[in-house]
Amino acid sequence: GAGVSQSPSNKVTEKGKDVELRCDPISGHTALYWYRQSLGQGLEFLIYFQGNSAPDKSGLPSDRFSAERTGGSVSTLTIQRTQQEDSAVYLCASSPGVYDQPQHFGDGTRLSIL
Amino acid sequence: AQSVSQHNHHVILSEAASLELGCNYSYGGTVNLFWYVQYPGQHLQLLLKYFSGDPLVKGIKGFEAEFIKSKFSFNLRKPSVQWSDTAEYFCAVRGGTYKYIFGTGTRLKVLA
Repeated sequence: GAGVSQSPSNKVTEKGKDVELRCDPISGHTALYWYRQSLGQGLEFLIYFQGNSAPDKSGLPSDRFSAERTGGSVSTLTIQRTQQEDSAVYLCASSPGVYDQPQHFGDGTRLSIL
Repeated sequence: AQSVSQHNHHVILSEAASLELGCNYSYGGTVNLFWYVQYPGQHLQLLLKYFSGDPLVKGIKGFEAEFIKSKFSFNLRKPSVQWSDTAEYFCAVRGGTYKYIFGTGTRLKVLA
């Protein structure tokens, strides 16, 4: 497609369950970012991929969070043993990887933990 | 550490009023600066960006921003807002790396 695609668009799950969020970046974009947007907060950086490697995982809030990217394309963000404080909108963005090119964002996944 | 401050969290204006949203950042080196907009029900879109050159940057939909290095600021302006400008606006900074730091956003409501 023409833009960044994220799925699912909404996810409701019970506390303690694992969830997997998917991001399909724009074709050819080598850089991929995950952010978390909580109510009343800005975008919180989670992780950055350049190709399949993640040089910066410093934003992942705990070891329950992990992410991977395969084939230099699709990325999945996994949250294990979800907690209520994980409820947020998870945004994915991609860019061509060239320094002077900005990010393009997906519509996000709204995650609600009951 | 890099940080971005947006001082106005909520702004309400009437149509045709002028707009200025503040953005201040902390980073001592060369920065790239961005304003993103999120219209209701839509994804974040780039409004304008500054990398180098003329510090007065013009973006889409009549928006502009001025980079004032001495003040570490990148305020967003529009001379005359429209109802369709109702949205949330985010300032972002990238300093020396790939990492973007976003402000907490400003919710703008324009009254028709």
